[in-house]
Formats: sequence, structure tokens, C-alpha cells
Amino acid sequence: QKEVEQDPGPLSVPEGAIVSLNCTYSNSAFQYFMWYRQYSRKGPELLMYTYSSGNKEDGRFTAQVDKSSKYISLFIRDSQPSDSATYLCAMSTLSSNDYKLSFGAGTTVTVRA
Amino acid sequence: DTGVSQNPRHKITKRGQNVTFRCDPISEHNRLYWYRQTLGQGPEFLTYFQNEAQLEKSRLLSDRFSAERPKGSFSTLEIQRTEQGDSAMYLCASSLLGSTAYEQYFGPGTRLTVT
Repeated sequence: QKEVEQDPGPLSVPEGAIVSLNCTYSNSAFQYFMWYRQYSRKGPELLMYTYSSGNKEDGRFTAQVDKSSKYISLFIRDSQPSDSATYLCAMSTLSSNDYKLSFGAGTTVTVRA
Repeated sequence: DTGVSQNPRHKITKRGQNVTFRCDPISEHNRLYWYRQTLGQGPEFLTYFQNEAQLEKSRLLSDRFSAERPKGSFSTLEIQRTEQGDSAMYLCASSLLGSTAYEQYFGPGTRLTVT
């Protein structure tokens, strides 16, 4: 079983819809929870990060972390065709000696105009 | 451009050949990471440098793989006797010493195709 599980999709939504993405994890030591966006043949770019549990909002993006359920979510409101990409969740522990990111498989999202 | 750069962007090689990739981190970033991403999967950690010291290697990094970071600047990743299973995107990331995990900045990757 992988440390981080993410449904690879693909997910196709009409423009303006809400996109809902999620990941589950098994390592209770994870404290940092990140969402990356990756366009085809490009490197991942950080969208948002959350420390421990709670919600975080940044424009059209909302990240939620529920540590009790080991479940994280990303919501994209008013989705645009430019949001079409692969979205990767990633996690890490708090230890300064543990710098590795553990990624999910990524969910491919297509927003139809 | 002051981001992480990787060269070449795409490499096609025949099985059994050796290949070498280069990563130039963001200036002044002490930490440098290599990840491998296969089709349909997320990146997987391979190895990590702090300045010129290689501090950790994943068990994914077989004996055919070697990475260096001379003088703590750019890094190279060499794969000897390539196999078809080595086909993947090889990503490099860098960060400052003392930064948190989310402060890793990724390069565009080198896509390796082994025929």
C-alpha cells in the first residue's frame, strides 16, 4: 500500500464548475500538505500548502486537511480551461531531517470550454 | 530566468547505453533533490544533496545510478546500462537550507526514453 493514495481520474468538467480533488494517506507523521499543478511535460509547481489540519483559501482554490481521517482535499471554484492540468498532492513530516516529499499519483483534470 | 534548469529536456537512448543529466539549481540554494516520475505516477524521491554532500539515497536508486554535485553547485545524474524500465521523467528540485519541505522548487524535468 502506498503512503499517499490519489485517484488518477481523469476528471472532465464544464467551465465554471467546481473541481473536487482528494487524497488519503497512511503516515500519521505527515504535517505539511501540499497541492501541486503540473502541465504536460513540465515540472510540478506549488499551488498551496497547509500545515496540520484546517482550511486554507487562495482565490479560487481551497485546501482542506482532516488529519483525523487522514484525508485532504482541493477545491477549484469557477474552473477555467487554463486549469486543465494534473494535480498532485504531496506530504511531508515536520522533521528538519525529513525533506522528502511523498506524492500521490496525480489527478488529470480537463475543463471543457 | 532564475528558476531550476535541467538539460537535456528530452533524451532518447538505446538500451544498454549510459546517459547523464544535468541540473542547475536556483542560485544560493544549498539543497538539491532528484525525483523520478513514471507515466501516470507522482514523483518519487531518488536522492538528496546538501551542498556537495549526498546525504540520502532511495532504495529506488540502483547501483546503475550515480549522482554528484561537485562544489555544491550543479548536479549530474548518470544512469549506466540503461534499461527500458528507466524510461521516466527525471525531476530536479532545489531549496534553501532550513526551508520547509514545500519550499522545493522544481525544474522542467528531463524526459528519458529508452528504446
